[in-house]
Amino acid sequence: GEDVEQSLFLSVREGDSSVINCTYTDSSSTYLYWYKQEPGAGLQLLTYIFSNMDMKQDQRLTVLLNKKDKHLSLRIADTQTGDSAIYFCAEGGNYGGSQGNLIFGKGTKLSVKP
Amino acid sequence: DADVTQTPRNRITKTGKRIMLECSQTKGHDRMYWYRQDPGLGLRLIYYSFDVKDINKGEISDGYSVSRQAQAKFSLSLESAIPNQTALYFCATSSGREEQPQHFGDGTRLSIL
Repeated sequence: GEDVEQSLFLSVREGDSSVINCTYTDSSSTYLYWYKQEPGAGLQLLTYIFSNMDMKQDQRLTVLLNKKDKHLSLRIADTQTGDSAIYFCAEGGNYGGSQGNLIFGKGTKLSVKP
Repeated sequence: DADVTQTPRNRITKTGKRIMLECSQTKGHDRMYWYRQDPGLGLRLIYYSFDVKDINKGEISDGYSVSRQAQAKFSLSLESAIPNQTALYFCATSSGREEQPQHFGDGTRLSIL
């Protein structure tokens, strides 16, 4: 079945760049997503990338997609303490034969040290 | 996302009780989802609905049921709660358009004693 893998923890210093990596298995995924979850809150959609793109940039966020290796990364430039959160990678899966469901990774907890 | 509202936000109850979690949305989306989140396990899909007459089981539907009362409302029930259903529950919606991002409520923290 479909699977999405992420490392569970990442720690960086304020001002450095953070890179969160994700691998997925479903080659038919059309879109890949990054969500952010702050403590006590729901998941906030950060950005998404269409599967025929290699890169998408949005202010401090850069998404890189290597479709051949099924590898997705999220780079946060100039990481701030407010970026501390859990980041979820998700693919537009085909769960149970139904288009539209997302398969989520377990989340990467980003800790930003001052 | 204030467009997806979950009630209650927190609930503590006892084993064996029936519990209903409510979700309502003002986004006009056809698709609605219920997930649970457990530490270290990420989000797991419980049930989903693509329109009012459509209900589908997700990865972990045992012990849960849902009702899609209207396009804007999707409720999750635990008929007889057990302690391992203690978790954070999220409702989400999506439009069904090609890029299909899901929009989440703020969650319901459920504790079963």
